[in-house]
Amino acid sequence: AQSVTQLDSQVPVFEEAPVELRCNYSSSVSVYLFWYVQYPNQGLQLLLKYLSGSTLVKGINGFEAEFNKSQTSFHLRKPSVHISDTAEYFCAVTRIQGAQKLVFGQGTRLTINP
Amino acid sequence: KAGVTQTPRYLIKTRGQQVTLSCSPISGHRSVSWYQQTPGQGLQFLFEYFSETQRNKGNFPGRFSGRQFSNSRSEMNVSTLELGDSALYLCASSGGTTSTNEKLFFGSGTQLSVL
Repeated sequence: AQSVTQLDSQVPVFEEAPVELRCNYSSSVSVYLFWYVQYPNQGLQLLLKYLSGSTLVKGINGFEAEFNKSQTSFHLRKPSVHISDTAEYFCAVTRIQGAQKLVFGQGTRLTINP
Repeated sequence: KAGVTQTPRYLIKTRGQQVTLSCSPISGHRSVSWYQQTPGQGLQFLFEYFSETQRNKGNFPGRFSGRQFSNSRSEMNVSTLELGDSALYLCASSGGTTSTNEKLFFGSGTQLSVL
């Protein structure tokens, strides 16, 4: 089975400051890793994904994440945040083969202060 | 291309009733998955359908069921509603071929309130 731990439930930052949202996972099989964003009253939107290859993955809206296999981590970063980045962010994993099922972390609420 | 469409957007029911939620996937997508989102339990997988067959199921009681039609549209049904069923129910679609864990497209969800 897979599990995902998002280490911070809330992260407040000032506008234009850098941010890192932390994610650790556990799995006995190879997995794909994802970050999704959820804006208020909306569904989930894919920010980025790691399938294979380069461990540094770039996504939409200036976000990037680094896959670290030895530390089983997939932290999300942005060098300079905007007010519009205020949202909830979810880290997720899924098996590479087999069941079409995402296992999500509990989410991190990112609040941007002016 | 239209996205994943879920109807209705909001629903209010009372305990003991049953409810049906609908999901229309992106055109051409054959896999539809359902997730429940609550403040306490977070996002949890309910089930996945591919070509009208349930391909995978999460750990939910039998009161939660679903089906998929030949046009890939899917419905989810919850019978004998309980207060704890209040949640945002999200539907997601993907291409659905053998290794389709790469990307799911989510709808905006149906917010179900059970009174």
